[in-house]
Amino acid sequence: GAVVSQHPSRVICKSGTSVKIECRSLDFQATTMFWYRQFPKQSLMLMATSNEGSKATYEQGVEKDKFLINHASLTLSTLTVTSAHPEDSSFYICSARSGGSGGKGDTQYFGPGTRLTVL
Amino acid sequence: RKEVEQDPGPFNVPEGATVAFNCTYSNSASQSFFWYRQDCRKEPKLLMSVYSSGNEDGRFTAQLNRASQYISLLIRDSKLSDSATYLCVVNRMDSSYKLIFGSGTRLLVRP
Repeated sequence: GAVVSQHPSRVICKSGTSVKIECRSLDFQATTMFWYRQFPKQSLMLMATSNEGSKATYEQGVEKDKFLINHASLTLSTLTVTSAHPEDSSFYICSARSGGSGGKGDTQYFGPGTRLTVL
Repeated sequence: RKEVEQDPGPFNVPEGATVAFNCTYSNSASQSFFWYRQDCRKEPKLLMSVYSSGNEDGRFTAQLNRASQYISLLIRDSKLSDSATYLCVVNRMDSSYKLIFGSGTRLLVRP
Protein backbone atom coordinates (compact mmCIF):
# COMPACT_ATOMS: atom_id res chain seq x y z
CA GLY A 1 0.00 0.00 0.00
CA ALA A 2 0.89 3.65 -0.19
CA VAL A 3 3.26 5.05 2.39
CA VAL A 4 3.02 8.32 4.25
CA SER A 5 5.76 9.35 6.63
CA GLN A 6 5.81 11.91 9.39
CA HIS A 7 8.75 13.53 11.09
CA PRO A 8 9.45 13.75 13.92
CA SER A 9 7.62 10.87 15.53
CA ARG A 10 7.93 12.44 18.93
CA VAL A 11 8.88 15.89 20.13
CA ILE A 12 9.15 17.49 23.54
CA CYS A 13 9.49 21.24 23.66
CA LYS A 14 9.27 24.15 26.04
CA SER A 15 6.25 26.38 26.21
CA GLY A 16 6.49 29.28 23.78
CA THR A 17 8.57 27.54 21.16
CA SER A 18 7.45 26.57 17.67
CA VAL A 19 7.42 23.03 16.36
CA LYS A 20 7.34 21.94 12.73
CA ILE A 21 5.94 18.58 11.70
CA GLU A 22 6.51 17.18 8.21
CA CYS A 23 4.19 14.88 6.32
CA ARG A 24 5.45 13.18 3.16
CA SER A 25 3.81 10.89 0.66
CA LEU A 26 6.61 8.55 -0.35
CA ASP A 27 5.32 6.75 -3.41
CA PHE A 28 2.46 8.84 -4.78
CA GLN A 29 1.51 12.42 -5.42
CA ALA A 30 -0.92 13.74 -2.85
CA THR A 31 -3.34 16.29 -4.23
CA THR A 32 -4.73 16.85 -0.77
CA MET A 33 -3.33 16.37 2.70
CA PHE A 34 -5.26 16.50 5.93
CA TRP A 35 -4.07 17.30 9.43
CA TYR A 36 -5.75 15.75 12.46
CA ARG A 37 -5.29 16.05 16.18
CA GLN A 38 -6.16 13.38 18.72
CA PHE A 39 -6.31 13.94 22.46
CA PRO A 40 -6.17 10.94 24.82
CA LYS A 41 -9.24 8.72 24.66
CA GLN A 42 -10.81 10.91 22.00
CA SER A 43 -11.23 10.45 18.30
CA LEU A 44 -9.35 12.12 15.51
CA MET A 45 -10.45 15.68 14.94
CA LEU A 46 -9.78 17.24 11.56
CA MET A 47 -7.84 20.47 11.90
CA ALA A 48 -7.34 21.53 8.30
CA THR A 49 -7.34 20.46 4.68
CA SER A 50 -4.31 21.32 2.63
CA ASN A 51 -4.20 21.45 -1.16
CA GLU A 52 -0.92 21.77 -2.99
CA GLY A 53 -0.17 25.34 -3.97
CA SER A 54 -3.11 26.92 -2.21
CA LYS A 55 -4.04 28.08 1.26
CA ALA A 56 -5.21 25.51 3.76
CA THR A 57 -8.84 25.34 4.79
CA TYR A 58 -9.20 25.27 8.56
CA GLU A 59 -11.99 23.67 10.53
CA GLN A 60 -14.08 25.79 12.83
CA GLY A 61 -12.28 26.59 16.05
CA VAL A 62 -8.78 25.93 14.72
CA GLU A 63 -6.59 29.04 14.75
CA LYS A 64 -4.89 29.41 11.39
CA ASP A 65 -2.26 31.77 12.80
CA LYS A 66 -1.30 29.25 15.45
CA PHE A 67 -1.27 26.17 13.24
CA LEU A 68 0.56 27.16 10.08
CA ILE A 69 0.22 24.77 7.18
CA ASN A 70 2.36 24.80 4.06
CA HIS A 71 1.79 22.41 1.17
CA ALA A 72 4.54 23.42 -1.20
CA SER A 73 4.71 20.25 -3.26
CA LEU A 74 2.62 17.22 -4.12
CA THR A 75 4.61 15.10 -1.68
CA LEU A 76 5.16 17.38 1.31
CA SER A 77 2.98 19.27 3.74
CA THR A 78 4.17 20.85 6.97
CA LEU A 79 2.30 21.84 10.12
CA THR A 80 3.95 24.38 12.39
CA VAL A 81 2.58 24.79 15.88
CA THR A 82 3.59 28.32 16.80
CA SER A 83 4.14 29.45 20.39
CA ALA A 84 3.19 26.04 21.69
CA HIS A 85 1.54 25.70 25.07
CA PRO A 86 0.91 22.64 27.23
CA GLU A 87 -2.68 22.44 25.99
CA ASP A 88 -1.30 21.87 22.47
CA SER A 89 0.18 18.57 23.65
CA SER A 90 -1.49 15.96 21.50
CA PHE A 91 -1.05 13.32 18.82
CA TYR A 92 -0.90 14.98 15.41
CA ILE A 93 -1.62 12.77 12.41
CA CYS A 94 -1.57 13.62 8.73
CA SER A 95 -3.21 11.83 5.87
CA ALA A 96 -2.66 12.11 2.16
CA ARG A 97 -5.16 11.62 -0.61
CA SER A 98 -4.02 10.47 -3.97
CA GLY A 99 -6.95 11.78 -5.96
CA GLY A 100 -6.84 8.83 -8.29
CA SER A 101 -3.33 9.30 -9.60
CA GLY A 102 -0.63 6.65 -9.59
CA GLY A 103 -3.12 3.80 -9.46
CA LYS A 104 -3.82 4.34 -5.78
CA GLY A 105 -7.42 5.39 -6.26
CA ASP A 106 -9.20 7.95 -4.17
CA THR A 107 -8.05 6.75 -0.78
CA GLN A 108 -6.57 8.48 2.23
CA TYR A 109 -3.36 7.09 3.69
CA PHE A 110 -2.35 8.01 7.20
CA GLY A 111 1.06 8.89 8.53
CA PRO A 112 2.28 7.27 11.75
CA GLY A 113 1.63 10.39 13.79
CA THR A 114 3.70 12.82 15.83
CA ARG A 115 3.36 12.94 19.58
CA LEU A 116 3.90 16.47 20.83
CA THR A 117 4.53 17.21 24.48
CA VAL A 118 4.81 20.83 25.51
CA LEU A 119 6.33 21.38 28.94
CA ARG B 1 -25.04 15.91 18.23
CA LYS B 2 -21.93 14.27 16.78
CA GLU B 3 -22.00 13.50 13.08
CA VAL B 4 -20.81 9.93 13.70
CA GLU B 5 -21.74 8.20 16.95
CA GLN B 6 -20.42 4.99 18.44
CA ASP B 7 -20.71 3.18 21.75
CA PRO B 8 -17.29 3.77 23.36
CA GLY B 9 -17.28 0.37 25.10
CA PRO B 10 -15.07 -1.24 26.17
CA PHE B 11 -16.29 -4.58 24.95
CA ASN B 12 -14.49 -7.24 26.95
CA VAL B 13 -14.90 -10.66 25.32
CA PRO B 14 -13.18 -14.05 25.50
CA GLU B 15 -11.19 -15.44 22.60
CA GLY B 16 -13.44 -17.07 20.05
CA ALA B 17 -16.43 -14.87 20.81
CA THR B 18 -18.46 -13.01 18.25
CA VAL B 19 -18.81 -9.29 18.84
CA ALA B 20 -20.76 -6.60 17.01
CA PHE B 21 -20.23 -2.85 16.91
CA ASN B 22 -22.77 -0.31 15.79
CA CYS B 23 -22.47 3.19 14.45
CA THR B 24 -24.93 5.85 13.35
CA TYR B 25 -24.32 8.89 11.19
CA SER B 26 -26.42 12.01 10.95
CA ASN B 27 -25.53 13.45 7.55
CA SER B 28 -27.67 11.82 4.90
CA ALA B 29 -25.33 13.20 2.21
CA SER B 30 -22.63 10.79 3.37
CA GLN B 31 -21.47 8.63 0.52
CA SER B 32 -18.67 6.34 1.66
CA PHE B 33 -18.29 4.40 4.86
CA PHE B 34 -15.36 2.67 6.48
CA TRP B 35 -14.19 0.85 9.54
CA TYR B 36 -10.70 1.73 10.73
CA ARG B 37 -8.72 0.05 13.45
CA GLN B 38 -6.48 2.02 15.78
CA ASP B 39 -4.00 0.46 18.16
CA CYS B 40 -2.84 2.35 21.23
CA ARG B 41 -0.63 5.32 20.32
CA LYS B 42 -0.67 4.43 16.62
CA GLU B 43 -2.31 5.87 13.54
CA PRO B 44 -5.65 4.48 12.32
CA LYS B 45 -5.49 1.81 9.67
CA LEU B 46 -8.21 0.94 7.20
CA LEU B 47 -9.92 -2.31 8.15
CA MET B 48 -12.56 -2.38 5.46
CA SER B 49 -14.89 -0.28 3.39
CA VAL B 50 -18.62 -0.75 3.90
CA TYR B 51 -20.92 -1.29 0.94
CA SER B 52 -24.69 -1.14 0.75
CA SER B 53 -24.94 -4.82 -0.07
CA GLY B 54 -22.84 -5.75 2.93
CA ASN B 55 -19.39 -7.18 2.63
CA GLU B 56 -17.20 -9.72 4.32
CA ASP B 57 -13.46 -10.02 4.73
CA GLY B 58 -12.49 -13.19 6.55
CA ARG B 59 -13.82 -12.97 10.09
CA PHE B 60 -15.09 -9.42 9.58
CA THR B 61 -18.51 -8.52 8.18
CA ALA B 62 -19.69 -4.98 7.59
CA GLN B 63 -23.26 -3.87 6.96
CA LEU B 64 -24.77 -0.55 5.91
CA ASN B 65 -28.38 0.55 6.24
CA ARG B 66 -28.77 3.87 4.43
CA ALA B 67 -32.41 4.28 5.38
CA SER B 68 -31.56 4.07 9.08
CA GLN B 69 -28.13 5.70 8.65
CA TYR B 70 -26.62 2.79 10.52
CA ILE B 71 -23.38 0.88 10.05
CA SER B 72 -22.25 -2.29 11.77
CA LEU B 73 -19.14 -4.42 12.11
CA LEU B 74 -19.25 -8.06 13.16
CA ILE B 75 -16.12 -9.88 14.26
CA ARG B 76 -16.32 -13.65 14.47
CA ASP B 77 -13.94 -15.96 16.32
CA SER B 78 -12.21 -13.08 18.10
CA LYS B 79 -8.44 -13.25 18.45
CA LEU B 80 -6.27 -11.61 21.09
CA SER B 81 -4.79 -9.53 18.28
CA ASP B 82 -8.20 -8.03 17.55
CA SER B 83 -7.91 -5.94 20.72
CA ALA B 84 -7.93 -2.34 19.51
CA THR B 85 -10.23 0.62 19.05
CA TYR B 86 -12.53 0.39 16.06
CA LEU B 87 -13.41 3.67 14.37
CA CYS B 88 -16.49 4.20 12.27
CA VAL B 89 -15.66 6.67 9.51
CA VAL B 90 -17.83 8.50 7.03
CA ASN B 91 -16.80 10.38 3.89
CA ARG B 92 -19.18 12.96 2.51
CA MET B 93 -17.57 12.70 -0.89
CA ASP B 94 -18.17 16.37 -1.47
CA SER B 95 -15.36 18.47 -2.88
CA SER B 96 -13.60 18.41 0.49
CA TYR B 97 -13.16 14.59 0.69
CA LYS B 98 -13.17 14.93 4.46
CA LEU B 99 -13.28 11.85 6.65
CA ILE B 100 -15.45 12.18 9.71
CA PHE B 101 -14.41 9.88 12.54
CA GLY B 102 -16.53 8.44 15.28
CA SER B 103 -15.02 8.40 18.75
CA GLY B 104 -14.32 4.69 18.48
CA THR B 105 -15.32 1.50 20.25
CA ARG B 106 -12.69 -0.20 22.32
CA LEU B 107 -12.42 -3.99 22.13
CA LEU B 108 -10.54 -6.12 24.62
CA VAL B 109 -10.20 -9.80 23.81
CA ARG B 110 -9.09 -11.87 26.79
CA PRO B 111 -7.52 -15.34 26.78
